[in-house]
Amino acid sequence: DAKTTQPPSMDCAEGRAANLPCNHSTISGNEYVYWYRQIHSQGPQYIIHGLKNNETNEMASLIITEDRKSSTLILPHATLRDTAVYYCIVAPSSNTGKLIFGQGTTLQVKP
Amino acid sequence: NAGVTQTPKFRILKIGQSMTLQCTQDMNHNYMYWYRQDPGMGLKLIYYSVGAGITDKGEVPNGYNVSRSTTEDFPLRLELAAPSQTSVYFCASSLSTGNEKLFFGSGTQLSVL
Repeated sequence: DAKTTQPPSMDCAEGRAANLPCNHSTISGNEYVYWYRQIHSQGPQYIIHGLKNNETNEMASLIITEDRKSSTLILPHATLRDTAVYYCIVAPSSNTGKLIFGQGTTLQVKP
Repeated sequence: NAGVTQTPKFRILKIGQSMTLQCTQDMNHNYMYWYRQDPGMGLKLIYYSVGAGITDKGEVPNGYNVSRSTTEDFPLRLELAAPSQTSVYFCASSLSTGNEKLFFGSGTQLSVL
């Protein structure tokens, strides 16, 4: 399974865009990139996922580089409620769908 | 839809006791998962199931058992509780293809003393 590398922590000012990077240099051609977040003491929450094209939904945008070796999650207007641990996950190539969570990036949104 | 429901929310066990963590989902998802999360760490997969009657081990299955007799329920059994099993346990489910977004329950905080 491909592994991911994320910075352990980041800060962001409220109202500004939060850009969370992720490296996945060993990703395989049929593996997706998933982003989840976990607000303190809660279960993880799905944010977005993509294969090779950029994706956008009501929560965030996902930018995947052309070589697919890295990606960036963008929260366009961060709020205090976006303070959480953000996990970048590369899906296994099997069809079981199980996702392996690493330690993620702790995003602190500051007033 | 209630989504994924876990019970109990909190539990304290003595070493050697057994218990079952309950998980049920009302979204008709075929895939279900059990994760544990130790303090300050990411989630580790314990067991998963791709449908009723089918289960398989994840990263850290030792000390746990699961069963899946219905689509809705996926209980996790601890037979001989040990302090190393003190953790927060999360159940999740996803659509039948597997590579879909997971829906998580709110977790069970377990302490083994």
